[in-house]
Amino acid sequence: TQLLEQSPQFLSIQEGENLTVYCNSSSVFSSLQWYRQEPGEGPVLLVTVVTGGEVKKLKRLTFQFGDARKDSSLHITAAQPGDTGLYLCAGDDYGQNFVFGPGTRLSVLP
Amino acid sequence: EPEVTQTPSHQVTQMGQEVILRCVPISNHLYFYWYRQILGQKVEFLVSFYNNEISEKSEIFDDQFSVERPDGSNFTLKIRSTKLEDSAMYFCASNLERISYNEQFFGPGTRLTVL
Repeated sequence: TQLLEQSPQFLSIQEGENLTVYCNSSSVFSSLQWYRQEPGEGPVLLVTVVTGGEVKKLKRLTFQFGDARKDSSLHITAAQPGDTGLYLCAGDDYGQNFVFGPGTRLSVLP
Repeated sequence: EPEVTQTPSHQVTQMGQEVILRCVPISNHLYFYWYRQILGQKVEFLVSFYNNEISEKSEIFDDQFSVERPDGSNFTLKIRSTKLEDSAMYFCASNLERISYNEQFFGPGTRLTVL
């Protein structure tokens, strides 16, 4: 069974700070998705990365897929309280399996 | 903007009872999924469905679970005899293509509480 680990589990920062959260696995994925989930709601897709080394930007969010396609990072610049939420990574194993990581719970304090 | 909808938002049932969770995927989507998330735990894949049959299922999706798309619109998850450990949020998702689970759109979830 493939596993995705995310770190840190919890992160509490002040508004305006930068942060990076990580998603790691020992397995190779054909693609990796990042989602954000609010309490009591479904995950909302932020981005999909497919190519090793790929970098995608979504406003203040920068996503990177590792060269070996086993890991990914999400960097947020100048975090805002509206960024608060649970950030989930999910990996697709060439159609054989689709797994979510446990998430990083981010709290941005005003 | 099209969205996945789920009903009910909250279902309370007695252990041993059957429940049916309903989902209306986005209308032109072809692939449908059920996931569950036990409180405080990660989202877990249950099953994927395409062309009126199950494509893949996880170990969680045992004989007490079934899915169907009875009328070309609703996509349902049935739990035949609920257990306490079935209490969780159940999310439906759909996408247009099946390249690599790109662009899965999730519904708001149904919170199932088994007493």
